[in-house]
Amino acid sequence: SQKIEQNSEALNIQEGKTATLTCNYTNYSPAYLQWYRQDPGRGPVFLLLIRENEKEKRKERLKVTFDTTLKQSLFHITASQPADSATYLCALVHGGGSQGNLIFGKGTKLSVKP
Amino acid sequence: EADIYQTPRYLVIGTGKKITLECSQTMGHDKMYWYQQDPGMELHLIHYSYGVNSTEKGDLSSESTVSRIRTEHFPLTLESARPSHTSQYLCASTPEGTTTQYFGPGTRLTVL
Repeated sequence: SQKIEQNSEALNIQEGKTATLTCNYTNYSPAYLQWYRQDPGRGPVFLLLIRENEKEKRKERLKVTFDTTLKQSLFHITASQPADSATYLCALVHGGGSQGNLIFGKGTKLSVKP
Repeated sequence: EADIYQTPRYLVIGTGKKITLECSQTMGHDKMYWYQQDPGMELHLIHYSYGVNSTEKGDLSSESTVSRIRTEHFPLTLESARPSHTSQYLCASTPEGTTTQYFGPGTRLTVL
């Protein structure tokens, strides 16, 4: 069956360090992979999209990689800050290219300690 | 922040009541979605719509129904609420030609 796994339910790091979150998937061949941030009691907010033909995407302190051979995406936050504390969700487009719906992972809760 | 709104933000209601959760967006997006999310769990798609007069069931079976009479409005209705319906309900929309979703703030529903 199709599955998305985010390897840690929770990740605790010290301010200033790089946070690395992992998203693995099985039985998908996604054309796109997306990362969202969700704060408690709020809806997810889109951060980055990476296409299957892109190895890496950057946006300010964020970096996403996409390895279709390993079926894995890594999400990095460099120089992390307490304000980065949130749950980060990866999502794959399920079928239909740009018409497809998103399938979300459970998320990794990141806590950045001062 | 995206221009997508959900009301009410919080709702506590008794078993058997009929409820409607409102979702509106001012971005002119055709595709809209409803998700259900329990604490610490993934989002589950329960309904979506490609545009006016289009409604589809999502991956998670739900006793709720939706309607799409206007582009900007996608309400979700539960005819008879039960404690098993207690959850967070999130509405989202997508611009044409993309898969990026813009979410509302959610409605936290508690059925006693």
